[in-house]
Amino acid sequence: QQQVKQSPQSLIVQKGGISIINCAYENTAFDYFPWYQQFPGKGPALLIAIRPDVSEKKEGRFTISFNKSAKQFSLHIMDSQPGDSATYFCAASMLLTGGGNKLTFGTGTQLKVEL
Amino acid sequence: GAVVSQHPSRVICKSGTSVKIECRSLDFQATTMFWYRQFPKQSLMLMATSNEGSKATYEQGVEKDKFLINHASLTLSTLTVTSAHPEDSSFYICSARDHAVTGELFFGEGSRLTVL
Repeated sequence: QQQVKQSPQSLIVQKGGISIINCAYENTAFDYFPWYQQFPGKGPALLIAIRPDVSEKKEGRFTISFNKSAKQFSLHIMDSQPGDSATYFCAASMLLTGGGNKLTFGTGTQLKVEL
Repeated sequence: GAVVSQHPSRVICKSGTSVKIECRSLDFQATTMFWYRQFPKQSLMLMATSNEGSKATYEQGVEKDKFLINHASLTLSTLTVTSAHPEDSSFYICSARDHAVTGELFFGEGSRLTVL
């Protein structure tokens, strides 16, 4: 019930291409879906987040698409750059329904952007 | 964005000793902080939720006597790994929720613990 499934486990994209990472959740009480970027030896940094009342959110080259009925959400990185090479985690929490923003993380995707 | 500082960033200790890791919110007050553990190439696993002025809430399977958490002020939470063993070697990361901003969690840079 608390799981967040993430795919793919690893991804190689050419510079300038689109990176797409997918996540699926089971708990319909989740109401906050952030994406984090983590570089080796560093803590995760918030990239972008979405609430379930919105189907898409865009910030710069990063877009979250959210499908409430399918209980799926995805991260799209447009014009991928070598500096985007990192591990990406999706997460979910029950922010407004008493979960206190206790995050459940996906398993992570290692993205490598090649020249 | 808000800054969460962890110290030390790296620590090496001998088996049987105790190690304390600090997590500070530098420019905001955090009533709630979270402690995670991350093994190489794996996801973050929540260990416990630290609430200012009260006892921490531990996740299932996390030994509270092994991982002592104290949240004495609105800007500081500490994790003490007691009687550390090599299997406790890991990357420990804290996060803090900005009391004034609903939702957003800010993560520390992590602390790499190596137990010899």
